[in-house]
Amino acid sequence: DTEVTQTPKHLVMGMTNKKSLKCEQHMGHRAMYWYKQKAKKPPELMFVYSYEKLSINESVPSRFSPECPNSSLLNLHLHALQPEDSALYLCASSQGSQSSGNTIYFGEGSWLTVV
Amino acid sequence: AQTVTQSQPEMSVQEAETVTLSCTYDTSENNYYLFWYKQPPSRQMILVIRQEAYKQQNATENRFSVNFQKAAKSFSLKISDSQLGDTAMYFCAFMKPISGAGSYQLTFGKGTKLSVIP
Repeated sequence: DTEVTQTPKHLVMGMTNKKSLKCEQHMGHRAMYWYKQKAKKPPELMFVYSYEKLSINESVPSRFSPECPNSSLLNLHLHALQPEDSALYLCASSQGSQSSGNTIYFGEGSWLTVV
Repeated sequence: AQTVTQSQPEMSVQEAETVTLSCTYDTSENNYYLFWYKQPPSRQMILVIRQEAYKQQNATENRFSVNFQKAAKSFSLKISDSQLGDTAMYFCAFMKPISGAGSYQLTFGKGTKLSVIP
């Protein structure tokens, strides 16, 4: 069972809606990630938070707004999305210290459909 | 920049047989990790096996093992006694620390779709 929990599992939203995807981990990890995955493609990195600070934004459009309220939670706020933003959104986490044996663990994903 | 190449878009194997998935990568880094992730139709990304680049010994997890050839930059996955539940997309991935950030950059290959046939 994954220890990275994402809600909701499925989301359908209109182009004028505002919604949020939520991610929670209780492994004590200090780095959290958002990835976007289109069908039959590998995941693409969107954002990285390290110690609750945004460290990487892979030139993601401003209609996607990440937020890290604390070390266990990561949100992705969605506003004025386009149909081409429909995808699987994966949250992930890692220890956040550069120790041996580190690994990025993924949640089950949130399926987003923009209509 | 790192690249990860999986040259087999699709493969199939009979149940109980052994199959090997190929992966090559290109990097100038010395400190890195390699992974195989499995993504079944449910789309959850599941860790299969991990290899630290500084370790010469090949990683093994039950029926899954890797052949890590650092000089050749090759990292293949062998699945023994294949089971129906092994049917999934398999991604090879390269991970390196992001300097000063306390996080990691993960680069995926394009994936190999494995079908286990009863």
